[in-house]
Amino acid sequence: GAVVSQHPSWVICKSGTSVKIECRSLDFQATTMFWYRQFPKQSLMLMATSNEGSKATYEQGVEKDKFLINHASLTLSTLTVTSAHPEDSSFYICSAPGASNTEAFFGQGTRLTVV
Amino acid sequence: KQEVTQIPAALSVPEGENLVLNCSFTDSAIYNLQWFRQDPGKGLTSLLLIQSSQREQTSGRLNASLDKSSGRSTLYIAASQPGDSATYLCAVGASGGSYIPTFGRGTSLIVHP
Repeated sequence: GAVVSQHPSWVICKSGTSVKIECRSLDFQATTMFWYRQFPKQSLMLMATSNEGSKATYEQGVEKDKFLINHASLTLSTLTVTSAHPEDSSFYICSAPGASNTEAFFGQGTRLTVV
Repeated sequence: KQEVTQIPAALSVPEGENLVLNCSFTDSAIYNLQWFRQDPGKGLTSLLLIQSSQREQTSGRLNASLDKSSGRSTLYIAASQPGDSATYLCAVGASGGSYIPTFGRGTSLIVHP
């Protein structure tokens, strides 16, 4: 199956700093990628849809100025958590639909801890 | 809006038992349904994918069924092992447009020796 690589797998940062998370499709092109957030013992909640060459689409309640998404190429989407606060600590995971647009492939996830 | 519910939320069983995990969804207009495994602090591993036209899929000790009309799917794990301990997530893919799965909260499974 298709491979989606996410980096870093974990990061600890100080409150007020920004953190960038990368999501790459390794063996296929993805014009669309999705970013999810998962709090402990909760489901994966869709945050935003990243579109190559255009603006991301954010779900209701997600601050677009805080969670900056850039989809600069057909294989790379980045999520930047700006001015991070402890409440942003969570598990962030990206996914991309395969070429047939009938299956989702997920990155390994990034554990963000803001201290 | 599609809602996905998984029951039970948690399950603890002795090794060797056969298990049934349940997933229900509110909108039957789905494209397919995927079962994932998530180990603590890790990403998702796809276990089984069932297309809306299919009734079940099997992989090793895992069998997933789908009853689209009633909005239900079950994941059957035969002869459970401690290595099966993980959270199992059910995700429903909507028909039409980009494929964006909607997830349930998962079932946390512990299989003890």
